[in-house]
Amino acid sequence: AQTVTQSQPEMSVQEAETVTLSCTYDTSESDYYLFWYKQPPSRQMILVIRQEAYKQQNATENRFSVNFQKAAKSFSLKISDSQLGDAAMYFCAYIPESGGSNYKLTFGKGTLLTVNP
Amino acid sequence: DAGVTQSPTHLIKTRGQQVTLRCSPKSGHDTVSWYQQALGQGPQFIFQYYEEEERQRGNFPDRFSGHQFPNYSSELNVNALLLGDSALYLCASSRDSRSYGYTFGSGTRLTVV
Repeated sequence: AQTVTQSQPEMSVQEAETVTLSCTYDTSESDYYLFWYKQPPSRQMILVIRQEAYKQQNATENRFSVNFQKAAKSFSLKISDSQLGDAAMYFCAYIPESGGSNYKLTFGKGTLLTVNP
Repeated sequence: DAGVTQSPTHLIKTRGQQVTLRCSPKSGHDTVSWYQQALGQGPQFIFQYYEEEERQRGNFPDRFSGHQFPNYSSELNVNALLLGDSALYLCASSRDSRSYGYTFGSGTRLTVV
């Protein structure tokens, strides 16, 4: 069974600084997708960034980037130039690649990010 | 373009009652999944509907059931409510593809008293 582990229940960062959130996962699949979702107090889960396992290049979306280490099964999120609006719960998630009968998005327990002015 | 819409936003029910939650997927999406998120936890997969059929189910009892309509909207039904069913219920939609993740609604906060 696939599992996703986020070892940092809470993190804090000063505005304009950089913070890295950690995520590890366990799977026997070779092809899969990884995601970081943000959940602010509004409760809606918002997709921040995605990574295809077959791509060695790390994904980047503006101030958000990932460090994907497939052999280590590690998928960390780096937020640069942190803004007050980045404060939220962040979830790492995994789903196997298309094909097969597993459509379940597996989430970690989340990391609560606080941004201090 | 409306995203995923869920109703109601909040609900209070008594133990033993039944509840129905509703979800309209994002335009162009044909697949609907339901997740339960307990306080301080990550979402847990309940089931997924595609072509009006339950395609995959998570580790939830039969008290949890669902339906998908021809317009792709969906309902989640929970019978014989327990206090432990209190949670945020999230609906997620997608085209029939896993590669781009799912689009989530803002959820229904269910409180069982």
